[in-house]
Amino acid sequence: DTGVSQDPRHKITKRGQNVTFRCDPISEHNRLYWYRQTLGQGPEFLTYFQNEAQLEKSRLLSDRFSAERPKGSFSTLEIQRTEQGDSAMYLCASSLPGVDLDEQFFGPGTRLTVL
Amino acid sequence: RKEVEQDPGPFNVPEGATVAFNCTYSNSASQSFFWYRQDCRKEPKLLMSVYSSGNEDGRFTAQLNRASQYISLLIRDSKLSDSATYLCVVTAGFQKLVFGTGTRLLVSP
Repeated sequence: DTGVSQDPRHKITKRGQNVTFRCDPISEHNRLYWYRQTLGQGPEFLTYFQNEAQLEKSRLLSDRFSAERPKGSFSTLEIQRTEQGDSAMYLCASSLPGVDLDEQFFGPGTRLTVL
Repeated sequence: RKEVEQDPGPFNVPEGATVAFNCTYSNSASQSFFWYRQDCRKEPKLLMSVYSSGNEDGRFTAQLNRASQYISLLIRDSKLSDSATYLCVVTAGFQKLVFGTGTRLLVSP
């Protein structure tokens, strides 16, 4: 499968614990995005990387959230001291800049449940 | 006010019906526009881009009205497999996608 992959697919944790998610983009894609989706809502932008540089962060990304893409390939999203409000689907997407509109391809997501 | 507004539905239609979804966006600086499709508990997938001149892909037609900041999607001859949530999406700088809440479509036999 040459699409975007995410690991784990599901994570259940207790409030206050730290969690880390991984995203592997499509191999030649240099842009990588993280989104969060809660039930009944569309995905909301969290952050964006071009290669290893984090170029934009949403106000949704509190100090408890950190994302990295150290070698410009895979990315990790860490949430420290999880809260029940962090329960959501965390989606990763990647794209390759093109002449016109570059399509973002989404991974299957990591569903986080904070008890 | 949300940046992208859609009627959440659900729209219940019989097979073969024509159905139209609309959305409005608030940021007049938005440059790119899309419709994404999302099946239950799956990731969003690009259905089609939307251009000012309008575009058609088989049974699907998308229209953009920049002056009214309005985007539409028309589905003709609905199939059972069209049942899904349709997300209206605009870009806001740096290719960031801004999604509407989605409109749920249920096509019945």
